[in-house]
Amino acid sequence: DTGVSQDPRHKITKRGQNVTFRCDPISEHNRLYWYRQTLGQGPEFLTYFQNEAQLEKSRLLSDRFSAERPKGSFSTLEIQRTEQGDSAMYLCASSLRANSYEQYFGPGTRLTVT
Amino acid sequence: RKEVEQDPGPFNVPEGATVAFNCTYSNSASQSFFWYRQDCRKEPKLLMSVYSSGNEDGRFTAQLNRASQYISLLIRDSKLSDSATYLCVVNVKTSYDKVIFGPGTSLSVIP
Repeated sequence: DTGVSQDPRHKITKRGQNVTFRCDPISEHNRLYWYRQTLGQGPEFLTYFQNEAQLEKSRLLSDRFSAERPKGSFSTLEIQRTEQGDSAMYLCASSLRANSYEQYFGPGTRLTVT
Repeated sequence: RKEVEQDPGPFNVPEGATVAFNCTYSNSASQSFFWYRQDCRKEPKLLMSVYSSGNEDGRFTAQLNRASQYISLLIRDSKLSDSATYLCVVNVKTSYDKVIFGPGTSLSVIP
């Protein structure tokens, strides 16, 4: 499968714990995006990378969230001191910059904070 | 006001019907426009890009009106398999690219 992959697919954690999600983009894609989606809403932009550079981070993102893409390939999203409001689907997408920003999404990681 | 707004839905239509979705955007710096489809509990998938001249892909037609900051998607001869949420997506070119998804419009095609 040469699509975008995410791991884990589901994560249940207790409030206050830290969690880390991984995204592997399509190999030739140099842009990588993270989104959060809650029920009945469209994906909400969190951050994106051009190769290893993090170019933009949503102002909605608190300091508890951090993302990395150290070698310009896979990316990780970490949430520290999770809160119940962090429960959502976390989606990763990748795109080829030259291809007018058409994005290809991974299956998502569903986070439940209890 | 949200940056991208869509018809609230849901739309419930019989098979074979024609249905149209509307989307408006507020940022005049918006440059690229897309429609994505999202099935229940699945990831969004690109349905089609939207070009200034309008474009068609089989039963699907997308149109863009930059003056009115309005995008539409028309589905002809609806199939049961068209049931999904349709997301309007706008890319805004500022110092960096900003990708904004609308809240989506739900479509149910009924036998």
